[in-house]
Amino acid sequence: DIQMTQSPSTLSASVGDRVTITCRASQSINTFLAWYQQKPGRAPKLLIYKASHLQGGVPSRFSGSGSGTEFTLTISSLQPDDFATYYCQEYISYSRIFGQGTKVDIK
Amino acid sequence: EVQLVQSGGEVKKPGESLKISCKASGYNFARHWVGWVRQRPGKGLEWMGITYPDDLDMRYNAAFQGLVTISADKSINTAYLQWSSLKASVTAMYYCVRLLPEPNPVPLDWGQGTLVTVSS
Repeated sequence: DIQMTQSPSTLSASVGDRVTITCRASQSINTFLAWYQQKPGRAPKLLIYKASHLQGGVPSRFSGSGSGTEFTLTISSLQPDDFATYYCQEYISYSRIFGQGTKVDIK
Repeated sequence: EVQLVQSGGEVKKPGESLKISCKASGYNFARHWVGWVRQRPGKGLEWMGITYPDDLDMRYNAAFQGLVTISADKSINTAYLQWSSLKASVTAMYYCVRLLPEPNPVPLDWGQGTLVTVSS
């Protein structure tokens, strides 16, 4: 099975900060990588698919990059609504493994 | 507007069976992959599997193969997730998802979640 490893597990940041989350795959997944945001008590929300394609309605401060085994999610200027947990997911395999999540909290 | 409305929370005993549902509306149910994601209390997301309602093709995460059954009935726009014999480890929130079409079949729409609690 493919393993997906996110770092860091927790990130403390302030409003206005530039935030970067990394997701590494144990083998190449081309650009079959999605990012999700989840807030407590809510279902996840799709932010980015195909590594860098922003889902409609998602603010442009979110961006994704990478291919192969290393990917990043960047929030250019953190807003109060962005404090949440973020997950990456590969979708090249039937198992579609998620990363363990990165919690972004208030510094 | 796409909606995925899941059945209500369940409290069951070990060994019992269970089938939860996800009623879809606002799109052509038969022509989009639909699936399930597990989230144990305080933990991350786990992909369970998907089915294509039009032909009932199924693709399971190997970790869930044989433990659950995913199905769909296109005549009533409803997807299902079922267990034949529950264990305490099944306790979790279960989300129904609708996938974007190929070539990027990722979950765009999510149900509200169904909390399943298994306890003696």
